[in-house]
Amino acid sequence: DTGVSQNPRHKITKRGQNVTFRCDPISEHNRLYWYRQTLGQGPEFLTYFQNEAQLEKSRLLSDRFSAERPKGSFSTLEIQRTEQGDSAMYLCASSYLIDDRGEQYFGPGTRLTVT
Amino acid sequence: AQTVTQSQPEMSVQEAETVTLSCTYDTSENNYYLFWYKQPPSRQMILVIRQEAYKQQNATENRFSVNFQKAAKSFSLKISDSQLGDTAMYFCAFMKRSYGGSQGNLIFGKGTKLSVKP
Repeated sequence: DTGVSQNPRHKITKRGQNVTFRCDPISEHNRLYWYRQTLGQGPEFLTYFQNEAQLEKSRLLSDRFSAERPKGSFSTLEIQRTEQGDSAMYLCASSYLIDDRGEQYFGPGTRLTVT
Repeated sequence: AQTVTQSQPEMSVQEAETVTLSCTYDTSENNYYLFWYKQPPSRQMILVIRQEAYKQQNATENRFSVNFQKAAKSFSLKISDSQLGDTAMYFCAFMKRSYGGSQGNLIFGKGTKLSVKP
């Protein structure tokens, strides 16, 4: 297994444009999480999926953000009408539901810059 | 709501020496996990060590150990025999644990930037 992968690794976009990020979790993991990390801060939770169901969304996830996980495999995070404040590292993590150790495995992140 | 506080934004240590990173947290939960994650420069976050709140024994993983003080809500990380590869951001994190064993999201502190000097 190659671990959690995220694409693209870097994205530069102009304010007002839409962007979409992809996360491919570890294959047998049924939980998938999205976090956002701004400079000098720890990651902040955005949303998570159990299989294809989106179970929880943070108040940080405004109406411009939408996440999907069709078929319970990869996930996409879309940001519409990007703003400069959306500039951040977007991290994806996955875990196995029955894993009682609580460990989440992180991807390398997608760094978004909104100009 | 749970909060995690790391009061040391930056620390440095000489190679082969020992360093302790501090973390405090606030929660009304009784059943939870605590973690230390390491984020090397431009690399992905990896788990260093975990502690289950119901276990009194402090977790150890090779050169890494924790001092878990549940009543004081303190969870410090000790790195012994520091190596250059330990240079990274270190994040303390909290996760509420459900009785069914299911997991929730992680709540992170702001991190401590550790530099190991040769």
